[in-house]
Amino acid sequence: GAVVSQHPSRVICKSGTSVKIECRSLDFQATTMFWYRQFPKQSLMLMATSNEGSKATYEQGVEKDKFLINHASLTLSTLTVTSAHPEDSSFYICSASSGTPNSGNTIYFGEGSWLTVV
Amino acid sequence: GQNIDQPTEMTATEGAIVQINCTYQTSGFNGLFWYQQHAGEAPTFLSYNVLDGLEEKGRFSSFLSRSKGYSYLLLKELQMKDSASYLCAVRARSNTGFQKLVFGTGTRLLVSP
Repeated sequence: GAVVSQHPSRVICKSGTSVKIECRSLDFQATTMFWYRQFPKQSLMLMATSNEGSKATYEQGVEKDKFLINHASLTLSTLTVTSAHPEDSSFYICSASSGTPNSGNTIYFGEGSWLTVV
Repeated sequence: GQNIDQPTEMTATEGAIVQINCTYQTSGFNGLFWYQQHAGEAPTFLSYNVLDGLEEKGRFSSFLSRSKGYSYLLLKELQMKDSASYLCAVRARSNTGFQKLVFGTGTRLLVSP
């Protein structure tokens, strides 16, 4: 079964509104969570890294005030797209790490969320 | 920052062998991952290399050369279901000690009969 749950899987919102996407680690404590954005036929683009006990680290070119990331607990991270516009429509996907740095498959991905802004 | 490059597209026939290359430039290297992704779905973990050499897992093998900043994913006995995107991802440790996983451009593989 899934070890990282992402919700909602699909969401449609009106332009100018905000939408929140949740990412939960189900049976482990995630010391690090990552948020990615993916456009059709392109690879995953890292938006930010969220580490437990500190603020998210945003990648260059990602607007902090537009994409609010909160690592609320060791099992929950949220991404809020504020004042959404049609160009924000994309596939957003989170991943969570159990924090064992040298182990290969301790990075788990959520199912992804399709955001459509109309 | 990181630069991670892969060929954009590859084609191969069922039953064949295909090698997908990945070159990277990064500081604080701490492992290289290969993922498979079908359209609209989350990536699926395939392999992980942190030391030089070849890791074999069934029909899939992955190779890493840290000195050359180079990896490849080898797929044997190709099946139609192997048509997907293959993503190379590098985990790197920043100077603050935190780690991040950055993906390459991805390679779309099309397997034909």
